[in-house]
Amino acid sequence: EPEVTQTPSHQVTQMGQEVILRCVPISNHLYFYWYRQILGQKVEFLVSFYNNEISEKSEIFDDQFSVERPDGSNFTLKIRSTKLEDSAMYFCASTRGGTNEKLFFGSGTQLSVL
Amino acid sequence: AQSVTQLGSHVSVSEGALVLLRCNYSSSVPPYLFWYVQYPNQGLQLLLKYTTGATLVKGINGFEAEFKKSETSFHLTKPSAHMSDAAEYFCAVSDYGGYQKVTFGTGTKLQVIP
Repeated sequence: EPEVTQTPSHQVTQMGQEVILRCVPISNHLYFYWYRQILGQKVEFLVSFYNNEISEKSEIFDDQFSVERPDGSNFTLKIRSTKLEDSAMYFCASTRGGTNEKLFFGSGTQLSVL
Repeated sequence: AQSVTQLGSHVSVSEGALVLLRCNYSSSVPPYLFWYVQYPNQGLQLLLKYTTGATLVKGINGFEAEFKKSETSFHLTKPSAHMSDAAEYFCAVSDYGGYQKVTFGTGTKLQVIP
């Protein structure tokens, strides 16, 4: 089965630093998402991306966050100035779209902000 | 607004026993409902989903779930637990008829006792 690939699997950063989380969605997929899961809490929607623009974002996705699809294959999440509470597992997901299509999740990037 | 409530953050069953993981949803429109599984250090994997039509949905690994509109429930069952079923299970709902924004429950950790 095709896979969504996320790198790195673990990222440790200092508070206030910028981080970029990288994702390679499945090649023929059109819709892209970021979710996060703070330890012990539920998986939360951050943002959806289609046709090179954000289609929806949650209240979590403030001005510190941005997403980009720079080269047609990678899909990145940037946190401009990390805070302690940004520590979480970040999941990328993609789908071709349509009600009968699956949403494929990557294995996540564990971000630790010290 | 959409939401799901998973009853029981931890469930333990004996190997070979029935697995029942409970999920109740709230949605302002006919919902699309999902069950995902997360094995340790892995991403989210779709077990099954309900969109329209038959209310009993069969998924992978012998799991199934029944959509009951009158009870606003979508409980996950498996007749006979296997050791490999030990994982965290997430119920999720989407109002949009697809994956535009999926709202997850808090998860239920399933322990299978030999």
